[in-house]
Amino acid sequence: SQKIEQNSEALNIQEGKTATLTCNYTNYSPAYLQWYRQDPGRGPVFLLLIRENEKEKRKERLKVTFDTTLKQSLFHITASQPADSATYLCARPNSGGYQKVTFGIGTKLQVIP
Amino acid sequence: NAGVTQTPKFRVLKTGQSMTLLCAQDMNHEYMYWYRQDPGMGLRLIHYSVGEGTTAKGEVPDGYNVSRLKKQNFLLGLESAAPSQTSVYFCASRDPGENQPQHFGDGTRLSIL
Repeated sequence: SQKIEQNSEALNIQEGKTATLTCNYTNYSPAYLQWYRQDPGRGPVFLLLIRENEKEKRKERLKVTFDTTLKQSLFHITASQPADSATYLCARPNSGGYQKVTFGIGTKLQVIP
Repeated sequence: NAGVTQTPKFRVLKTGQSMTLLCAQDMNHEYMYWYRQDPGMGLRLIHYSVGEGTTAKGEVPDGYNVSRLKKQNFLLGLESAAPSQTSVYFCASRDPGENQPQHFGDGTRLSIL
């Protein structure tokens, strides 16, 4: 089975610092990885997708990397703000097709003013 | 543009009762999904549909049924609710094809007493 592992413990950082969240996968390298943000009481919201052949993807203060050797994706938020506090989910497509994805349990980020 | 709308938002049931959760999307998406989210478990796929009139089982389908009679609606039914089905249920939709992100509703919080 394809697994996605995220550090389920909360990550607390000081405002203005860079937050780095980790997503590790097992078995074969997926064609892409997706990152979502989930606020309390809300559904996940898509943030970024990175393909297997892309080492890095950026969107404003967000940066995602994809290391097929380490079987890992890192999600960075630079100049973090209290409004960035949320749970961040990583997702990978299932084998045998792209109709389904498997989500990690997420990492809760708390940015302290 | 409402996106994905789930009704109801909250519900309390007694063991053995039945109910239907409704998901409606206005983005003309082909694919629709039902997930449940439990603490420490992450999002788990219950059932999904790749088009009007089609449904398929996900990771945790037992105790649930679904129907996709219209493209914009995806219904999740609990025929005889059990306490183990207490959870937050999320519906999502997306376009077909690789790399397409999922668009989520804000969930239905269901408690089975």
